[in-house]
Amino acid sequence: DSGVTQTPKHLITATGQRVTLRCSPRSGDLSVYWYQQSLDQGLQFLIQYYNGEERAKGNILERFSAQQFPDLHSELNLSSLELGDSALYFCASSVDLDPYEQYFGPGTRLTVT
Amino acid sequence: AQSVTQLGSHVSVSEGALVLLRCNYSSSVPPYLFWYVQYPNQGLQLLLKYTTGATLVKGINGFEAEFKKSETSFHLTKPSAHMSDAAEYFCAVAPSDSGGYQKVTFGIGTKLQVIP
Repeated sequence: DSGVTQTPKHLITATGQRVTLRCSPRSGDLSVYWYQQSLDQGLQFLIQYYNGEERAKGNILERFSAQQFPDLHSELNLSSLELGDSALYFCASSVDLDPYEQYFGPGTRLTVT
Repeated sequence: AQSVTQLGSHVSVSEGALVLLRCNYSSSVPPYLFWYVQYPNQGLQLLLKYTTGATLVKGINGFEAEFKKSETSFHLTKPSAHMSDAAEYFCAVAPSDSGGYQKVTFGIGTKLQVIP
């Protein structure tokens, strides 16, 4: 158990809908990262937050957004969902800005039908 | 710019045999290198990392990797495979000068099968 929690575990929704994925980092970790894992694209970095502020962006679509709240939990919002958004979404956390030891949550499996 | 190439999306070894998972990287600055393992239905777990210093890095579960700058490689090895090693392994690279900005690039992954 990495100490990072993600909810829900599974999510099935229809195209065009909007969903919110939630992540709670390990106690004391200030940085949160979101990743998308799909069969064809592999593991792609989406976005990083540090202590409530956005720090880095990767391959995140404009339809996706994220935020980190004062209690350090984070939410990833996916809107106007398409079939291709079906994937595993991982959250990871680390203690500080120089993260190179990230702890991954168990993931949320999103299926868009 | 940086990239990672993992040679072999699937590798099979017999229980007790040597495990060798290959990773080559490309980076415009000195890299930090990582190996992660993902068991079924779980998130990734850090096996080991190279940042600076000794080029032979020992990780958890008996795995080790050697940073070879001349070959731009960071292959993962384990002398004797256990059934519990069956999982997917990801090599990753990050620039050492990113100043806290997350720029880790992951390889496509190698699924390790251990045959009894």
